[in-house]
This record gives sequence, C-alpha cells and structure tokens, in this order.
Amino acid sequence: EVQLVESGGNLVQPGRSLRLSCAASGFNFDDYAMHWVRQAPGKGLEWVSGISWNSDSIQYADSVKGRFTISRDNAKNSLYLQMNSLRAEDTALYYCAKDTHHSSNWEAFDYWGQGTLVTVSS
Amino acid sequence: EIVLTQSPGTLSLSPGERATLSCRASQSLSSSYLAWYQQKPGQAPRLLVYGSSSRATDIPDRFSGSGSGTDFTLTISRLEPEDFAVYYCQHYGSSPLAFGGGTKVEIK
Repeated sequence: EVQLVESGGNLVQPGRSLRLSCAASGFNFDDYAMHWVRQAPGKGLEWVSGISWNSDSIQYADSVKGRFTISRDNAKNSLYLQMNSLRAEDTALYYCAKDTHHSSNWEAFDYWGQGTLVTVSS
Repeated sequence: EIVLTQSPGTLSLSPGERATLSCRASQSLSSSYLAWYQQKPGQAPRLLVYGSSSRATDIPDRFSGSGSGTDFTLTISRLEPEDFAVYYCQHYGSSPLAFGGGTKVEIK
C-alpha cells in the first residue's frame, strides 16, 4: 500500500524557516518524481515545487522561488521542503504527492499525503 | 505560464443528474497533459482522470474526461451522493504546473 506521510508543519513567525518532510512507503520511491502542493485555508490547490526521480530536474512556482528548496533522499525514501523567509501568505496545508508514471516529463499525481499545516503568524 | 479557468464556480444538481464541468487553458496543452481531481472536505485530492480522458485506477466509469487543445470537460453521467465535492483540473507535463480554481458540485 502506497503511503505518504508529511511532518514538520508548525506555527512560525514571519521571516523564520521551517523544514517539511514526507516519508514514502509502498512503492519504489527512487523511480518517481515527487511534488509539494499547498492549499491555503478555504482556498484552492497551488503547486509549489517538483523534483525528478534523480534530483536532476527541480522546478518551483514563482511565488516560492528563491525562498523554498526541495530535495529528496532516495536511500531514506524521503522528500523535503526547506522553507525560508516565510510570509503570512505561505500559510497553508502542505501536501506531498507522487507522479503517476516514471517519465521525463511531469505527470499527474496519483497518491497524496494527508498534509501538514504551516501557519505563519506573529 | 498556463492559466486554467474552471466553470461554473458552483454547480447545484440532484443525485442522478448529469454534471458537466469545464476547464479552459490559456494556451494549447501539448499531449493533453490535463488531469482532474476530486476533493472532499478534510481529505486530500484524489486523481480521477489523466491524459485528458484516461480514468485513474478504481475510478467508476460514470466519470469521463474529454477535450484537447484549450478546452476540456469532466462529465459525471449520474451523480451519486458521494460525488458531491470540489473538482480541480490540472495542467502538468511542463513547468510551472497549474491547477484551476475549482468547481464545487453541491446538492440542489
């Protein structure tokens, strides 16, 4: 059974940093690209960042470029999101999600975690 | 950057009725890299359709996707009580990936 379990969400002050983790199991983690997607309270979905299976390709949404860093450790079946210079507008539930297929392009997301909540407030 | 516009914002229907959801892209999507997701309150999104028209695993055949280029549609042939939720379309394949703003299907 595929499982994605996020952790690391917390209440943090503006300008501070936070690191999110996503522990994956039930599939060959190093075969698939992975992503972070966020959802502000009562709002829609926003893609944040994606990383290819071998970390060769990394992309970010403009809203987080230069502040957030995605990474993965295939030996630990884990995905990470380092978030620096946090702003109030980064407040959201952060999901990790898995690509449907092993591909040279980004794919649709067939499995999602339950999310971890990040609240940025003084 | 591709922008996805979903319509209508809210669809009020009764169980057993047909639902037609629209997703329009600001530019043509190559290879139909368009997916649809369902999200219920307090739950993560669930993949329904990818590649514009391919149903994901274990998705009932009352859900069908169609379209190409800039205009895409998700059709639910006969609404079941569990289908009342928010639906999002998504462009993938190239960066930046994007989601539409969502269509809420509510019970009339």
